[in-house]
Amino acid sequence: SAVISQKPSRDICQRGTSLTIQCQVDSQVTMMFWYRQQPGQSLTLIATANQGSEATYESGFVIDKFPISRPNLTFSTLTVSNMSPEDSSIYLCSVYRGGEAFFGQGTRLTVV
Amino acid sequence: TQLLEQSPQFLSIQEGENLTVYCNSSSVFSSLQWYRQEPGEGPVLLVTVVTGGEVKKLKRLTFQFGDARKDSSLHITAAQPGDTGLYLCAGTKAAGNKLTFGGGTRVLVKP
Repeated sequence: SAVISQKPSRDICQRGTSLTIQCQVDSQVTMMFWYRQQPGQSLTLIATANQGSEATYESGFVIDKFPISRPNLTFSTLTVSNMSPEDSSIYLCSVYRGGEAFFGQGTRLTVV
Repeated sequence: TQLLEQSPQFLSIQEGENLTVYCNSSSVFSSLQWYRQEPGEGPVLLVTVVTGGEVKKLKRLTFQFGDARKDSSLHITAAQPGDTGLYLCAGTKAAGNKLTFGGGTRVLVKP
């Protein structure tokens, strides 16, 4: 299994500002995944974070808007930059181990 | 267009009733998983199916993988309020590949 600590659990931010979300895993993993989940909806993969290289972004997501850091094998951050109300969502980090995806509890972001 | 289409999107039933959730695709998946997510939490894995035609049971939950490995279903017998949540199917096309999630089915079981 994997235990993932994500913080903050929620935040309310002013438009135009940025928020950095942290994700800590209890053991080393090669890849960490960042998802966005809009209220009542499914998960959309934002990017895959590999240690020692740039993150790989999915279609519709760009590094300037969602910069990701992966300084070591147990930690990653996702920044939501220059926020607008459309960025209000739940952001989740995830790792894949033993054929199973494990998730943090999510960060509920509201942009006002 | 979602690669994995789930239906229905929302289901509200009384305690004790049965329900079935479907997950369909035009693509073949090497494995398919079902997750349940409760408010304020991340999704939690319920089951993984890998063989076409496979049926797995988890107490009152029965999962089936289609023969062609393009679809799956989740059946809950005698649903209880504790079954309330967002049910997500997710597939991988090859071992180690990223997961693709379906649109989700929100289930509400009323006491």
